[in-house]
Amino acid sequence: NAGVTQTPKFQVLKTGQSMTLQCAQDMNHEYMSWYRQDPGMGLRLIHYSVGAGITDQGEVPNGYNVSRSTTEDFPLRLLSAAPSQTSVYFCASRSTGSDYGYTFGSGTRLTVV
Amino acid sequence: DAKTTQPPSMDCAEGRAANLPCNHSTISGNEYVYWYRQIHSQGPQYIIHGLKNNETNEMASLIITEDRKSSTLILPHATLRDTAVYYCIVRSFSTGGFKTIFGAGTRLFVKA
Repeated sequence: NAGVTQTPKFQVLKTGQSMTLQCAQDMNHEYMSWYRQDPGMGLRLIHYSVGAGITDQGEVPNGYNVSRSTTEDFPLRLLSAAPSQTSVYFCASRSTGSDYGYTFGSGTRLTVV
Repeated sequence: DAKTTQPPSMDCAEGRAANLPCNHSTISGNEYVYWYRQIHSQGPQYIIHGLKNNETNEMASLIITEDRKSSTLILPHATLRDTAVYYCIVRSFSTGGFKTIFGAGTRLFVKA
């Protein structure tokens, strides 16, 4: 049981490049979310999903796309990277069958130059 | 979901109890209080949650006032490894907590 796995752990992009941050969980959790955390700041919700095929926007969705084709995977796509997207990205998941909190991944540290 | 107010930072001596307050004066009847912590650059970690009764687990205790407008997270014997940012969140369990919003949290420094 690996929990929530995020890849890559580190990434450097040039402005205008696109990429996908991967998130996978093996706990059969229905709910998954993406957050970003800028230096010295709290977490901000980007997108979330309540199940396969269902996604919705969070607080800061612009510049990001998501899809949820399976319960296990919730990739985050940066369409055209900008320096303002330099941040640490965290993926989290939770089961509908429990009122316990989210399980978070270890994060992806992204730098856009 | 109701908003929360926490002090930006607190100090605590190692071995003493750390009491972290949270104000949620606009909390509604079906909203739970959740606490997470984030150690350095790791992903946040769930600690505890409650509705109106006090709760205790192996990590901490949660004390919720009778009017539910505030709560306190208690780490009974703080260690240096408890140095972290602690987030207090309120959300409605009935909505499934789809949009769990984090505030700025309290940065706890545990000192030797």
